[in-house]
Amino acid sequence: GENVEQHPSTLSVQEGDSAVIKCTYSDSASNYFPWYKQELGKRPQLIIDIRSNVGEKKDQRIAVTLNKTAKHFSLHITETQPEDSAVYFCAASMGFQKLVFGTGTRLLVSP
Amino acid sequence: ETGVTQTPRHLVMGMTNKKSLKCEQHLGHNAMYWYKQSAKKPLELMFVYSLEERVENNSVPSRFSPECPNSSHLFLHLHTLQPEDSALYLCASSQAIGGREDFGPGTRLTVL
Repeated sequence: GENVEQHPSTLSVQEGDSAVIKCTYSDSASNYFPWYKQELGKRPQLIIDIRSNVGEKKDQRIAVTLNKTAKHFSLHITETQPEDSAVYFCAASMGFQKLVFGTGTRLLVSP
Repeated sequence: ETGVTQTPRHLVMGMTNKKSLKCEQHLGHNAMYWYKQSAKKPLELMFVYSLEERVENNSVPSRFSPECPNSSHLFLHLHTLQPEDSALYLCASSQAIGGREDFGPGTRLTVL
């Protein structure tokens, strides 16, 4: 079955810097890749997703890139702000198979 | 209520108690999930239901018993739990398995 690895497990940046979180997946047939943000004490919420027919997607300060050949996808956050501090989860799925989540990255943005 | 709701939000129970967690989704989705979230395993999938039929049980101990009476409601019945079962239990739903999942706020469970 699918296996998703996520790195780094923790990431500390200064406000205004960029942050990049990377995930690799094992099943080349996977075609859906969402990213979730979970603030302390709150539920995971979808922030951006991408399908395998697209190489990059952007939404304001957030972007996701997909490299199908290398089987990895990354979340890019530019001009980070303290409110970006949270745990971020990547996930992957194929067709009607369940989403498989990464182990999460704790992002800390210092003012 | 909109989205995915869960009750109770907090639960403290002894090891001999029996309790149930409730999840309701107002999104018209056909799939529902139970996850366990703890420090050791951030998002651990427990059960998957599609159109009220259980399609996955990830080697979960029998002291956890799910029930899905219809596509909008999901329950997790708990009995004779262990302290290591203390965690945040998240419910989620999606239009179909493999698609975007919407999460509920979770139930923070403490087993004494």
